[in-house]
Amino acid sequence: GAVVSQHPSWVICKSGTSVKIECRSLDFQATTMFWYRQFPKQSLMLMATSNEGSKATYEQGVEKDKFLINHASLTLSTLTVTSAHPEDSSFYICSARTGTSGPYNEQFFGPGTRLTVL
Amino acid sequence: AQTVTQSQPEMSVQEAETVTLSCTYDTSESDYYLFWYKQPPSRQMILVIRQEAYKQQNATENRFSVNFQKAAKSFSLKISDSQLGDAAMYFCAYRSARNSGYALNFGKGTSLLVTP
Repeated sequence: GAVVSQHPSWVICKSGTSVKIECRSLDFQATTMFWYRQFPKQSLMLMATSNEGSKATYEQGVEKDKFLINHASLTLSTLTVTSAHPEDSSFYICSARTGTSGPYNEQFFGPGTRLTVL
Repeated sequence: AQTVTQSQPEMSVQEAETVTLSCTYDTSESDYYLFWYKQPPSRQMILVIRQEAYKQQNATENRFSVNFQKAAKSFSLKISDSQLGDAAMYFCAYRSARNSGYALNFGKGTSLLVTP
């Protein structure tokens, strides 16, 4: 099946610094990638949807200037948490959609990145 | 906006027994897709089963099956012959069939414990 990787798997940073998380589709081209955030014992909340070559669409309440998303190629999307603060500590999950024909347009999920901001 | 409700925060089942996880959703759309995802301790999201709203036949995947009641907006997951490896968080998810970005809308999840 389609594989999505994320790097790093976990990161610890100091408050005020920026952190970049990469999401790659390894064996398919992803026309759309999604970024989710998951707090402990809670559900996945969609942060933004990114399409290759265009600006990301952010969900209501998500700060565009804080969570910068770049989808520069069909296999790579990056999420940069700028000026991170402890409340940004969370588990970030990306998923990618193949864009092929078919009813499901299934999303394939990455393994997630745990961010801890001290 | 569509909402997905999972009313069981935790469920427990004995190995080899059957358990049903409930999910209801609210939508004004007639065409959509429903999914059940499993998230084990590794936190990797795994697709368990999916259902197209226009199909009346309930989806099945080996030991996993759903009871899809469109009029009641209910989409429950039945796990038969439960195994220790089934222990995980289970999320019900909704996706519109319209070209609305294809994002998934998740419920809050049900934590399934499987006891020997």
